[in-house]
Amino acid sequence: QKEVEQNSGPLSVPEGAIASLNCTYSDRVSQSFFWYRQYSGKSPELIMSIYSNGDKEDGRFTAQLNKASQYVSLLIRDSQPSDSATYLCAVGRGGGGNKLTFGTGTQLKVEL
Amino acid sequence: GAGVSQSPSNKVTEKGKDVELRCDPISGHTALYWYRQSLGQGLEFLIYFQGNSAPDKSGLPSDRFSAERTGGSVSTLTIQRTQQEDSAVYLCASSYGTGGGYTFGSGTRLTVV
Repeated sequence: QKEVEQNSGPLSVPEGAIASLNCTYSDRVSQSFFWYRQYSGKSPELIMSIYSNGDKEDGRFTAQLNKASQYVSLLIRDSQPSDSATYLCAVGRGGGGNKLTFGTGTQLKVEL
Repeated sequence: GAGVSQSPSNKVTEKGKDVELRCDPISGHTALYWYRQSLGQGLEFLIYFQGNSAPDKSGLPSDRFSAERTGGSVSTLTIQRTQQEDSAVYLCASSYGTGGGYTFGSGTRLTVV
C-alpha cells in the first residue's frame, strides 16, 4: 500500500464545473496536509494547506480533511482551463520535522 | 532572495562523472529539502536540513549521494559517479520552521548520458 494514494486520472471536467480531487493516506499520526499544483514542466506550487478536520476555503478552492477516514480532498469550483494541471497531495507528520510524503498526482483537464 | 533559487537549471553529464547541484533558499527559511522527480513519477524525498540539527538523510538512494548546507543557508547536493538512473529533475524547497508547506525552486534537470 502506498503511503499517499491518488487516482492518476486524467480527470476531465467541463469549464465552470466543480472538480473533485481525492487523496488517501496510510499514516494515522499525520498532522499536516497540503495540495500542490504542478503545470507541465514546472515545479509544484502550494495552493492549500489544512491541519484540522473539516473544510477550509480559499477563493475557488476548498480543502476537506477527515482524519478518521484518512482522507483529504480538494474541490475546485468554477473550473477554468488554466486549472488544467497535475495536483499533488502531500502529507506530513508535523512535530519536530516536516518531511512530506507526496502522492503521484491527479491530472486534471478542464475542457472548453 | 524572493524565491528558492536553483542552479544549474539543466545539466547534461557523462555516466561516471560527479555533479553538484546548488540551492539557495528563501531568506529566513530555516528548513531546506531536496526531492527528485523522475519522468511521470511522484516526488521522492532525498534529504532534509532543519537549522543546526543533524540532517535527515533517510531518503538518499545510495552512498553516491551527499548534501551539505553551509551557514544555514545555501545547500549543495553532490552525486558521485553518476548513473543513467540518476536522470531526473532535482527539486529544492524551503520552509519557515516546520509544519508548514514548502516553496519549491524551479529545479535542476539532470540528464546522464
